[in-house]
Amino acid sequence: DGGITQSPKYLFRKEGQNVTLSCEQNLNHDAMYWYRQDPGQGLRLIYYSQIVNDFQKGDIAEGYSVSREKKESFPLTVTSAQKNPTAFYLCASNLSGENGELFFGEGSRLTVL
Amino acid sequence: DQQVKQNSPSLSVQEGRISILNCDYTNSMFDYFLWYKKYPAEGPTFLISISSIKDKNEDGRFTVFLNKSAKHLSLHIVPSQPGDSAVYFCAASHSGTYKYIFGTGTRLKVLA
Repeated sequence: DGGITQSPKYLFRKEGQNVTLSCEQNLNHDAMYWYRQDPGQGLRLIYYSQIVNDFQKGDIAEGYSVSREKKESFPLTVTSAQKNPTAFYLCASNLSGENGELFFGEGSRLTVL
Repeated sequence: DQQVKQNSPSLSVQEGRISILNCDYTNSMFDYFLWYKKYPAEGPTFLISISSIKDKNEDGRFTVFLNKSAKHLSLHIVPSQPGDSAVYFCAASHSGTYKYIFGTGTRLKVLA
């Protein structure tokens, strides 16, 4: 079945450690996105990518990094510079990057101990 | 600066009645709007969308209304069912930016 797969679903890390969240899609979508969800703050855009080897910062990119080496993959690294990394992270994609439905993965819950 | 706002954090409705969820936006460049439904610890699922060239779009029990002059959209669910209980997000984008901005969500509870 076509869809977006995020892994791991749950992740614990110690302060000061970098961690990478995986996002893979087999929908042949051009654009991919990372959002963060915190209670009462909705979904906030971290990074997005319109095509391979290109990506742009969203509204809260500080402390995060991404890469887009393949069309299917858009991993997110949460670095030790991110001050409040504990959150629910959502990856999404859509066909052309322009007006259209965003398809979401199931999310990854990161907890910093 | 919150460009997309959902001012009601929660809403309770009796089963069978109408649920109305509201969303306001500030950026007049937005030309496409979407509504998503989300359960805890899951990804949002798409419900319905509307382009700025329309003022209404309907899909089964779900209808979205857009008032461009007021920069306001609303989602009507009728009749409401207990399975509709979830958090609802509105989102907006404008052509050429590839950015989708989400509101803070409204938690809908449909009482049986």
